[in-house]
Amino acid sequence: ETAVFQTPNYHVTQVGNEVSFNCKQTLGHDTMYWYKQDSKKLLKIMFSYNNKQLIVNETVPRRFSPQSSDKAHLNLRIKSVEPEDSAVYLCASSLGHSDYTFGSGTRLLVI
Amino acid sequence: AQKVTQTQTSISVVEKTTVTMDCVYETRDSSYFLFWYKQTASGEIVFLIRQDSYKKENATVGHYSLNFQKPKSSIGLIITATQIEDSAVYFCAMRENYNQGKLIFGQGTKLSIKP
Repeated sequence: ETAVFQTPNYHVTQVGNEVSFNCKQTLGHDTMYWYKQDSKKLLKIMFSYNNKQLIVNETVPRRFSPQSSDKAHLNLRIKSVEPEDSAVYLCASSLGHSDYTFGSGTRLLVI
Repeated sequence: AQKVTQTQTSISVVEKTTVTMDCVYETRDSSYFLFWYKQTASGEIVFLIRQDSYKKENATVGHYSLNFQKPKSSIGLIITATQIEDSAVYFCAMRENYNQGKLIFGQGTKLSIKP
C-alpha cells in the first residue's frame, strides 16, 4: 500500500515532557511536510524537507525540531511540550508541483 | 504575501442540490496553483481538484468543478448533486511557483448535507 503513514495516532503527555512523532511515505515523493491543525481547524505549515534538506522553516518555537533520515521519512520532535502544543500534527508529501498526500495525523494532548 | 481566505464558516444544503463554496487568494507570483481539499469527520484530508493559474479552462473532476476568476483572485468550488457523504470541512489552498512549494490553506468551510 502506498500512502503517508504516521505514528502514533494519539498521544497524551504532561507539560515539560519530550515527544516524538514519526512519518513515512511510500509514494516515492521528494518533499515532506509537517502541518499543525489547531482546535479551530486552521492548518499551518511548520517545516518542509526536500530530499533530506530543510527548505521551509516557519516561525515555530525552538522546542520543535524536524528530523529526516532520508526522503521517505520525516519525524518531528518536541522538547518540553507546553499546553498550547495540543493539536493535530499532520504529515504530508508531494512530488514537484503535485498535490499533497496527507497522513491521518497525530493528535497530541498536553495535560 | 501569500494568503487564502474562506469567509463562509459553514453551509447547510439539502441532498441532491448544488452548492458553491467561495475562496479568494492573494499572491504576487504570476504562476501559482490552487487546490481544494476535503477533511472528513475522521480527520482524513483528501485532495479533490486543482487549478493551475495559467489554464483558462475551469477544472472538473466528477461532481466537483471550479469557478476560476483570475481577475478577482477567486477560486470557487462547485459540488453538484450533493450526497450525505459530501458532509465535511472543505479547504481551499494555494501554492506559489517559486515560494518553496509551501501550500497555504484557507480557514475551511464546514458543509452539512441534509436528507
